[in-house]
Amino acid sequence: KNEVEQSPQNLTAQEGEFITINCSYSVGISALHWLQQHPGGGIVSLFMLSSGKKKHGRLIATINIQEKHSSLHITASHPRDSAVYICAVRSLSSGSARQLTFGSGTQLTVLP
Amino acid sequence: EAQVTQNPRYLITVTGKKLTVTCSQNMNHEYMSWYRQDPGLGLRQIYYSMNVEVTDKGDVPEGYKVSRKEKRNFPLILESPSPNQTSLYFCASSRSGQGAFNTEAFFGQGTRLTVV
Repeated sequence: KNEVEQSPQNLTAQEGEFITINCSYSVGISALHWLQQHPGGGIVSLFMLSSGKKKHGRLIATINIQEKHSSLHITASHPRDSAVYICAVRSLSSGSARQLTFGSGTQLTVLP
Repeated sequence: EAQVTQNPRYLITVTGKKLTVTCSQNMNHEYMSWYRQDPGLGLRQIYYSMNVEVTDKGDVPEGYKVSRKEKRNFPLILESPSPNQTSLYFCASSRSGQGAFNTEAFFGQGTRLTVV
């Protein structure tokens, strides 16, 4: 079992829909990152969370440390939101000098 | 503007011809890292550096070298590239005062390498 599981793997939505992407992890963490990878390949950091909730524009990220679960929400989705969304956790274990463990990503396609 | 810059963005090379992918950050970050991204395997760490002259292996270091002579630069060296190193490569950096990646992570634009 992977340490970081994302669901769904693929998601197609109509423009304007509310979107939720989920991330579950099995290790103790000190931080969780949501990343966005556009079709051109570049990766952009959306959020870094250690507790609670963060909002930036139409994007909202929440984390529940006790349940080891995070969600990324997109309100009023738009075709330009089409990208791969990656969850990554900063593990507490094994010295963690290098530990970002990545989920496999969620491919989001928003249709006009 | 805070950024991590990789060069080149695209590279096609032949087996055995040494190459270097450069990575530079302008945020005075201590921690830098290289990843490769392959279909179905996600992002895997190649090497990382906690600070100048401090480097260590990640999960898939075979066939790669790195150096950290200056804080801002962290080049990835392929001494004798092989076709199985065809991949999309990312450099990343973060502050490490409270541990790497306990603050925002910054990624480069990626380098798409093809070895024929």
